[in-house]
Amino acid sequence: DAKTTQPPSMDCAEGRAANLPCNHSTISGNEYVYWYRQIHSQGPQYIIHGLKNNETNEMASLIITEDRKSSTLILPHATLRDTAVYYCIVRPSGGYQKVTFGTGTKLQVIP
Amino acid sequence: DAEITQSPRHKITETGRQVTLACHQTWNHNNMFWYRQDLGHGLRLIHYSYGVQDTNKGEVSDGYSVSRSNTEDLPLTLESAASSQTSVYFCASSESGTDNEQFFGPGTRLTVL
Repeated sequence: DAKTTQPPSMDCAEGRAANLPCNHSTISGNEYVYWYRQIHSQGPQYIIHGLKNNETNEMASLIITEDRKSSTLILPHATLRDTAVYYCIVRPSGGYQKVTFGTGTKLQVIP
Repeated sequence: DAEITQSPRHKITETGRQVTLACHQTWNHNNMFWYRQDLGHGLRLIHYSYGVQDTNKGEVSDGYSVSRSNTEDLPLTLESAASSQTSVYFCASSESGTDNEQFFGPGTRLTVL
């Protein structure tokens, strides 16, 4: 069973905020939400992660709902270089064998 | 600067041949991982290691093996390459503990004819 659900694709105008949703309705109390992105055919790049509080860093903000069943990655001012596939991952606090990246959301930033 | 490298970047081989893909990191990370990426499947975990002499199977480990003789390297071996193993392979590493980001290498594109 998939642990996260993301829309397959989204468009965003350059300079606008990109809001990428992720559903993780079966998340358990000790599981973190991670976001990575993959630009073209490069290796994935870490963006941000959180447990239950909202988080912000220099790249993005992560908003996690109070029930933790969904989250939103926000890129405040999308640029053409943000065009990539974005992966939402739920990761248990112990063990890596259950981590799957899924197929992610292809974000296209439009000039 | 610390980094993670993979070699070769591209490889073409024949069915039945043994192939080894190299992964080297200079962060001194204890955790290392191998993934494969195929169209429509995202990234899937092949093997992972929490430290020297430790190796574990991921979700798609059949036909692959790894060994960890030092902290810096986790080579991935295909004992007898099959066409189904044509894919892009990514190596990653992270610090000890589970609340740490993974750093990915640039990938190796393997074609098995």
